[in-house]
Amino acid sequence: EAGVTQFPSHSVIEKGQTVTLRCDPISGHDNLYWYRRVMGKEIKFLLHFVKESKQDESGMPNNRFLAERTGGTYSTLKVQPAELEDSGVYFCASSRYAGLFQYEQYFGPGTRLTVT
Amino acid sequence: EDKVVQSPLSLVVHEGDTVTLNCSYEVTNFRSLLWYKQEKKAPTFLFMLTSSGIEKKSGRLSSILDKKELSSILNITATQTGDSAIYLCAVFRGLDAGGTSYGKLTFGQGTILTVHP
Repeated sequence: EAGVTQFPSHSVIEKGQTVTLRCDPISGHDNLYWYRRVMGKEIKFLLHFVKESKQDESGMPNNRFLAERTGGTYSTLKVQPAELEDSGVYFCASSRYAGLFQYEQYFGPGTRLTVT
Repeated sequence: EDKVVQSPLSLVVHEGDTVTLNCSYEVTNFRSLLWYKQEKKAPTFLFMLTSSGIEKKSGRLSSILDKKELSSILNITATQTGDSAIYLCAVFRGLDAGGTSYGKLTFGQGTILTVHP
């Protein structure tokens, strides 16, 4: 079974530019999550999709971040315009769905975003 | 706000040693605790603990949850250089009043384990 994949693995952009990160969850996993770790801090939750619907976006830092999951398969996370404090590693995770039951989440390798 | 604290933050041992990593939490409506191992890229799932006092074991790794003490430990016996990694602890909370925030994991800072030959 293929794991969670993310693209790109590393992105370097200038402040003010736009970047789009992509996540492909494990096949059949309806739950998809985005997390972020900024340097020196713990991994923090950004948002949770169930299929194509946003279940919880309480962790999104501001309206410069836009996540989509059209068709309930892969997801994109767009940062526009990027700021220096957006630098960090963005992780995607997926899990099986069974209503409110919490299954373990499987993580992708992350996208390292550097904003200069 | 939910809080997860891991200790120690870093640990250096020699092959063959036994290590114990700690995780404590302050979480509203705690549901379960998870351990992950992160070597280079993706955190890989190790254990999910929901019931207090029941040990979960996988090879040389084992973990147990103590709901009374709001903590968990991860033990690694006969360590090998391949055990060198960041070990992450995370918790699920139960449903909040709105029933929406059930999927998010709250992570600790991680413990960096280095095993020397």
